[in-house]
Amino acid sequence: DAGVTQSPTHLIKTRGQHVTLRCSPISGHKSVSWYQQVLGQGPQFIFQYYEKEERGRGNFPDRFSARQFPNYSSELNVNALLLGDSALYLCASSLRAFTYNEQFFGPGTRLTVL
Amino acid sequence: AQTVTQSQPEMSVQEAETVTLSCTYDTSENNYYLFWYKQPPSRQMILVIRQEAYKQQNATENRFSVNFQKAAKSFSLKISDSQLGDTAMYFCAFFLRGEVNRDDKIIFGKGTRLHILP
Repeated sequence: DAGVTQSPTHLIKTRGQHVTLRCSPISGHKSVSWYQQVLGQGPQFIFQYYEKEERGRGNFPDRFSARQFPNYSSELNVNALLLGDSALYLCASSLRAFTYNEQFFGPGTRLTVL
Repeated sequence: AQTVTQSQPEMSVQEAETVTLSCTYDTSENNYYLFWYKQPPSRQMILVIRQEAYKQQNATENRFSVNFQKAAKSFSLKISDSQLGDTAMYFCAFFLRGEVNRDDKIIFGKGTRLHILP
């Protein structure tokens, strides 16, 4: 079975632009979570979606938004990019909300904002 | 607010030795979950071990075990018979189930970089 996949692998944007990152969960997993990992730091929780509904939200500005589709894949959108948005964006999937089940992480999307 | 602290930014041990990674957390809640994640240089994060706060028994997964001290808010990871493949960043994480659906939160520490030396 394929693991969690994310696209693109790398992305370079300039300040003020908009970006969309994509995540496909493991088949059968209904929960997707997004994290931002700045170099040298631990991941910071951005969103969790379960059954297409937002299940949790971290302390990120409204420039960050996400959605989950009927096939449980997910998109993370970031508007008006800032230099500080440069990071590795990780997606994780689990069968249900991650309390009860192991999260499986994808390889991440490396976003560089110039 | 909940916090997670990993006080050891970097550690090195010889192969086959035992190493303990420290993690402390702060919360006023009683029902939560704790995790240790491993992020090898290839960067894909892997769950190492999980502990429910209501369980007194320390979790064990093969060579990995935890020392969970709820009163002290301490959650350390012990790796026995360390192997070269254990070289990675290790993150301690705290999960709190929200009272309403949208309030679930997970918080990671800053990590400990562990080097296993041949």
